[in-house]
Amino acid sequence: DAKTTQPNSMESNEEEPVHLPCNHSTISGTDYIHWYRQLPSQGPEYVIHGLTSNVNNRMASLAIAEDRKSSTLILHRATLRDAAVYYCILRGNFNKFYFGSGTKLNVKP
Amino acid sequence: NAGVTQTPKFRILKIGQSMTLQCTQDMNHNYMYWYRQDPGMGLKLIYYSVGAGITDKGEVPNGYNVSRSTTEDFPLRLELAAPSQTSVYFCASSSESGSYNEQFFGPGTRLTVL
Repeated sequence: DAKTTQPNSMESNEEEPVHLPCNHSTISGTDYIHWYRQLPSQGPEYVIHGLTSNVNNRMASLAIAEDRKSSTLILHRATLRDAAVYYCILRGNFNKFYFGSGTKLNVKP
Repeated sequence: NAGVTQTPKFRILKIGQSMTLQCTQDMNHNYMYWYRQDPGMGLKLIYYSVGAGITDKGEVPNGYNVSRSTTEDFPLRLELAAPSQTSVYFCASSSESGSYNEQFFGPGTRLTVL
């Protein structure tokens, strides 16, 4: 099963953009890239997903490299409520998720 | 919709005791999952189910059992609790295949084995 690699932690200032990178060099052609985030003491929640093209939604944008071996989650204006652990996940068969260790995002006021 | 609910929220077990973690979803999802999360780590898949009567092992199934008799319920059984099973357990559900398969997670059960 394909794995992902993310930095352990990142820091951002409030209201500035944040770019969270993820490497997934062993991704297969049918693996979707999902991003979830986990607020303290809660279960993970969906942020965004994509296959090949860049994606935008109300929460974030997802930029996928042309070779699909890496992707970047973009939060356009970080708020204090965005402080969380962000997971880059490759979706396997039967919609199974393989979580890495995630990136802990700290947002400074 | 309540989404995914889990009981209990907290539990302390003694070594060798057994217990069942309950998980229920009201979204009519066929796919359900159990994960465990150790401190400072990501979630690891224990077992999953693609429908009533069908279950399969995930990454870390040892020490656990599951059953799926209905679409709504997916209980996780610990037979002989060990300190290594101290963790936070999350249940999740999702719809079947397609490009958009958000997993909906429950609030978790924090289990301590002493």
